Amino acid sequence: AQSVTQLGSHVSVSEGALVLLRCNYSSSVPPYLFWYVQYPNQGLQLLLKYTTGATLVKGINGFEAEFKKSETSFHLTKPSAHMSDAAEYFCAVSVGSGTYKYIFGTGTRLKVLA
Amino acid sequence: NAGVTQTPKFQVLKTGQSMTLQCAQDMNHEYMSWYRQDPGMGLRLIHYSVGAGITDQGEVPNGYNVSRSTTEDFPLRLLSAAPSQTSVYFCASRGTDSGANVLTFGAGSRLTVL
Repeated sequence: AQSVTQLGSHVSVSEGALVLLRCNYSSSVPPYLFWYVQYPNQGLQLLLKYTTGATLVKGINGFEAEFKKSETSFHLTKPSAHMSDAAEYFCAVSVGSGTYKYIFGTGTRLKVLA
Repeated sequence: NAGVTQTPKFQVLKTGQSMTLQCAQDMNHEYMSWYRQDPGMGLRLIHYSVGAGITDQGEVPNGYNVSRSTTEDFPLRLLSAAPSQTSVYFCASRGTDSGANVLTFGAGSRLTVL
């Protein structure tokens, strides 16, 4: 069975500091991995995704994530946090092209301090 | 291109009342789904549909009904609302030709049951 674990329900960083949001997954077959961002009172927007190929994927707003199969991780990073990055971030996994099954993590709320 | 449209954005119900949350998409997506979002629990799948006339249960289906008479619409019905159904509800869709399994979300419907 697939599962997703996001370490840290709340993360605070200073403006300009590195953002690191952690996601570990469990899957018996190669997964598709996603990061979604939710700004206050809005729906979820796709930030980036990993399907196959290059393990370092770049997304919108300067975010990137690296798929590490050996560590079953897909951590999200951004070199320099901006106030506008304050939001809730969700990691998700689906298994196999065309599948309709998605497992979402419980979310990490990012706070950016001035 | 409107994407996924949910109505209403906000609703307050009394226990025992019924209501329908509407979801419409204009992307000709075969797959549509309903999630509920609760603090600390991430997104949980309520019901989903892989095409007109086809629906199935997700992780938390009790107390909710769905139908899919057209490709565009996927309403979620609460027949007798309970306080435990106070939540934010999201509709999401995906095309069958999307090999990357990317979901498109609506803006959400916030429901309070008193």
